[in-house]
Amino acid sequence: DTEVTQTPKHLVMGMTNKKSLKCEQHMGHRAMYWYKQKAKKPPELMFVYSYEKLSINESVPSRFSPECPNSSLLNLHLHALQPEDSALYLCASSRGLDTGELFFGEGSRLTVL
Amino acid sequence: QKEVEQDPGPLSVPEGAIVSLNCTYSNSAFQYFMWYRQYSRKGPELLMYTYSSGNKEDGRFTAQVDKSSKYISLFIRDSQPSDSATYLCAMSAISSGSARQLTFGSGTQLTVLP
Repeated sequence: DTEVTQTPKHLVMGMTNKKSLKCEQHMGHRAMYWYKQKAKKPPELMFVYSYEKLSINESVPSRFSPECPNSSLLNLHLHALQPEDSALYLCASSRGLDTGELFFGEGSRLTVL
Repeated sequence: QKEVEQDPGPLSVPEGAIVSLNCTYSNSAFQYFMWYRQYSRKGPELLMYTYSSGNKEDGRFTAQVDKSSKYISLFIRDSQPSDSATYLCAMSAISSGSARQLTFGSGTQLTVLP
């Protein structure tokens, strides 16, 4: 199983809503990532979890709140988002800390109205 | 100057052509080099992963790294319409225990015409 599964695939939310994006991997990977990707741009790193601990936060606004309940799951909690936060949110995982081989999910396409 | 520069494209070729995709970089600390393929509205898919200068071949794909010139390439032989996608180069430096961060190129959109 070499999949990273993300749900939901599409999400539309208002600026006052609270929603969550979910990510799951069963490859035994110990690092998990959230990326944001705008149209025709490369992915931008948001957060990195290593061994279920937050190791990197790329100065992301607090309206994005990551959570890693266990080594297979990664959530991104969303609250009071802005229309400019509309993007494709990608989850990725890697075997460990010493490799750059990231495996991405298909993404959750978020639209903020 | 960006750390990673990628030929922007878009690139359009006939089926069966050899495609060359290129990136240059300025950070000498980059030691690991990757190529990702991203179909429209999908997540990036890892195609090739290399960490030494030279060539690495996988089927119709060849990744080439020249660390002395800070230049990497991806060659696609006998290109197919199914190869139509955006190709992203990515690289990372050796880290001392923290999760390695990737630096992506801006992507090259490739269209292979039947």
